[in-house]
Amino acid sequence: RKEVEQDPGPFNVPEGATVAFNCTYSNSASQSFFWYRQDCRKEPKLLMSVYSSGNEDGRFTAQLNRASQYISLLIRDSKLSDSATYLCVVNVGGTSYGKLTFGQGTILTVHP
Amino acid sequence: DGGITQSPKYLFRKEGQNVTLSCEQNLNHDAMYWYRQDPGQGLRLIYYSQIVNDFQKGDIAEGYSVSREKKESFPLTVTSAQKNPTAFYLCASSQAGQGETQYFGPGTRLLVL
Repeated sequence: RKEVEQDPGPFNVPEGATVAFNCTYSNSASQSFFWYRQDCRKEPKLLMSVYSSGNEDGRFTAQLNRASQYISLLIRDSKLSDSATYLCVVNVGGTSYGKLTFGQGTILTVHP
Repeated sequence: DGGITQSPKYLFRKEGQNVTLSCEQNLNHDAMYWYRQDPGQGLRLIYYSQIVNDFQKGDIAEGYSVSREKKESFPLTVTSAQKNPTAFYLCASSQAGQGETQYFGPGTRLLVL
């Protein structure tokens, strides 16, 4: 089983749609979780950290389910500019000095 | 502006040649990292350094070397021993250890001639 696994997609959705991505991780001791966004041929940029209680930033909501070992990202009211690859990132070491492991990314295309 | 810079943006390597990729940060971060990204794949850790004059191998260190003589700088050398060097190379830094949020430079795209 991969340490961090994402559905690669691609997800093709119309503007205004709601779309959700899931990501599973294998190490139950993992403590830090992030979603990054990567545009084509660019570097990854932090979208949001994922907290145990769940967190929201505008149209974006992140959830953590420790029992099932997955995190999710929900995007509401999709915009054309949301088209990108979304990377799930997990600290699999379980400490602040653990190793960050990146999923292979989920491709999102938002069309008019 | 604070940030991470990488140069060059594109780099061409001839067979048997060593090339060095530059990474500089002015964020005063202690930790720095090098990743490799291949098409359709996630980032893979090459080397990381949590403090000046110290660094550790990541998952795919063979064929690469690094140095950390200054806090701000973490250059990566792709040696001739790396048989498949064509990839997108990303440098990152973080405030403390690897569990903390990492911030990335714009990347260097390496191509073999």
